[in-house]
Amino acid sequence: SQQGEEDPQALSIQEGENATMNCSYKTSINNLQWYRQNSGRGLVHLILIRSNEREKHSGRLRVTLDTSKKSSSLLITASRAADTASYFCATDTGGGNKLTFGTGTQLKVEL
Amino acid sequence: GAVVSQHPSWVICKSGTSVKIECRSLDFQATTMFWYRQFPKQSLMLMATSNEGSKATYEQGVEKDKFLINHASLTLSTLTVTSAHPEDSSFYICSATLDRGYPYEQYFGPGTRLTVT
Repeated sequence: SQQGEEDPQALSIQEGENATMNCSYKTSINNLQWYRQNSGRGLVHLILIRSNEREKHSGRLRVTLDTSKKSSSLLITASRAADTASYFCATDTGGGNKLTFGTGTQLKVEL
Repeated sequence: GAVVSQHPSWVICKSGTSVKIECRSLDFQATTMFWYRQFPKQSLMLMATSNEGSKATYEQGVEKDKFLINHASLTLSTLTVTSAHPEDSSFYICSATLDRGYPYEQYFGPGTRLTVT
């Protein structure tokens, strides 16, 4: 079953602009993770935020978590063409480390 | 470190045949591996959780007799799609957890694209 809904489904921006993706989920979580997937490839782990954290940074990435609203956002600052990929949130609800993935956002960064 | 490989990266098979996909953790031991399938432009759907030395745990709606999982060692899990049909065509991805500390980060393989003709 799908735990996370992401919006937008697709996002097209110019290089240098910021990209914001949102993820909403339904049940309580232990942590929420963001992954990137280039077309036809495996997933790359970007960042993990625990349920007791509200914000986390990693390089050009900024993730926020609002457990009261059951939502998270991923901000990519100063985007580059190489950031073009699909981005997925995934929630860990504590059931044997299983992850439930969101629907994903397809980001296209144009030169 | 923490590299996961899959073999083959793509495979085409005829309807009715069986296909085996391997997932290996190259530089770490993984007691738990996960198998996902992904349809074009869609999200990953968890199929099963594979634990070394025990039977896999399948998600609801996944046929265990159709998708045979064997986790024979701490570095290898295999998924066999039996009597494959065109509707089994999909992108299959495995992941492995480094069971040290919590939360356990999942490391994903590059995926295997299966096309059944």
